[in-house]
Amino acid sequence: AQSVTQLDSHVSVSEGTPVLLRCNYSSSYSPSLFWYVQHPNKGLQLLLKYTSAATLVKGINGFEAEFKKSETSFHLTKPSAHMSDAAEYFCVVSVRGSGYSTLTFGKGTMLLVSP
Amino acid sequence: EAQVTQNPRYLITVTGKKLTVTCSQNMNHEYMSWYRQDPGLGLRQIYYSMNVEVTDKGDVPEGYKVSRKEKRNFPLILESPSPNQTSLYFCASSLKVYPPDRHYGYTFGSGTRLTVV
Repeated sequence: AQSVTQLDSHVSVSEGTPVLLRCNYSSSYSPSLFWYVQHPNKGLQLLLKYTSAATLVKGINGFEAEFKKSETSFHLTKPSAHMSDAAEYFCVVSVRGSGYSTLTFGKGTMLLVSP
Repeated sequence: EAQVTQNPRYLITVTGKKLTVTCSQNMNHEYMSWYRQDPGLGLRQIYYSMNVEVTDKGDVPEGYKVSRKEKRNFPLILESPSPNQTSLYFCASSLKVYPPDRHYGYTFGSGTRLTVV
């Protein structure tokens, strides 16, 4: 069965320092992988997605993620955190059904950014 | 603007009073889905629809109903709401999700915060 694990429920960084949000997935095939961001009292916004093209995926707002099949990981990074990056981040994996696919969400990582 | 529109954004209701949360998308997406979000549990799928008149249960369907009579609309119905259905609800849509190895990703609505007292 396909699943996704976000290794940290909370990550705290200082403004201007690098961000690393960790995500491991489990899948019997090469899945599609996504990162979504949710700012307080807002909906979910797609940050970036991997669908079997380049393994290093660039997203919006300076975020990027690298698909590592050997490590079954899809960690999200940003070189320098900004106060506006404070939000909850969800790693998502596609799940194969009977002739279709759907998405399974990780439980989320809250990113806290201090001045 | 391409979007998924949910209404209402906030709703407080009493136990047992039937309610409907509407969802509409203007992107001609075949696939639509409802999720609920609860602290510590992430997003859990309630129901989904592959196309008009095609719906199926997700992970937590108990106490909910849906219908898909038109491609753009996918309302969520709570026939007899209970306090354990207090949650933040999201509607999402995407292009068709075939083949099974690939997914295009969802576009989400802004959410409906439901409180059942």
